[in-house]
Amino acid sequence: LAKTTQPISMDSYEGQEVNITCSHNNIATNDYITWYQQFPSQGPRFIIQGYKTKVTNEVASLFIPADRKSSTLSLPRVSLSDTAVYYCLVGDMEYGNKLVFGAGTILRVKS
Amino acid sequence: GAVVSQHPSWVICKSGTSVKIECRSLDFQATTMFWYRQFPKQSLMLMATSNEGSKATYEQGVEKDKFLINHASLTLSTLTVTSAHPEDSSFYICSASFGQAHVNQPQHFGDGTRLSIL
Repeated sequence: LAKTTQPISMDSYEGQEVNITCSHNNIATNDYITWYQQFPSQGPRFIIQGYKTKVTNEVASLFIPADRKSSTLSLPRVSLSDTAVYYCLVGDMEYGNKLVFGAGTILRVKS
Repeated sequence: GAVVSQHPSWVICKSGTSVKIECRSLDFQATTMFWYRQFPKQSLMLMATSNEGSKATYEQGVEKDKFLINHASLTLSTLTVTSAHPEDSSFYICSASFGQAHVNQPQHFGDGTRLSIL
């Protein structure tokens, strides 16, 4: 399982765009990159998943360079409610393979 | 879609009691379910992987006789903490996935169970 490295914490202000970068130098050919958000005392919530280039949904964008050794989660115009822990995971989820959570990034959004 | 329900959300019990936690996939068939444990201010730690109809695969260091996992149907997995002690107090979270070939579906998580052993 590819190991990931993320910043421990980030601070931002309401209305700003936040970019959280994740390093995964040992990503395998079949691995996808998935980001989850977790609030205190809740289970993680799926944000976005991608394999290469750029993926966008209603809440975030995921940028993946050609070498796939890193990825960046972009949250547009954050609000106070985006304060949470964000986890980057890399793995091949075919056949329901397991995921290994790293430490995650604590994002604090201030007013 | 892809809703996972976990019950109970919170339980307090005396030391020595066995506690069962249920994890249900409400709108999809989960061939694979996972059980995690999370201590305060720490990340999720995978305890075991269960596939419907077969024995669970436990991660290193997790006692299979202590944490009994049953995945009897495609929508239900249970975790039983047997003879629970205060050190078993933690936040337990389940997740479910389709687990099919050529399908890269993300895991979907329940809202967790806060277990407190007195």
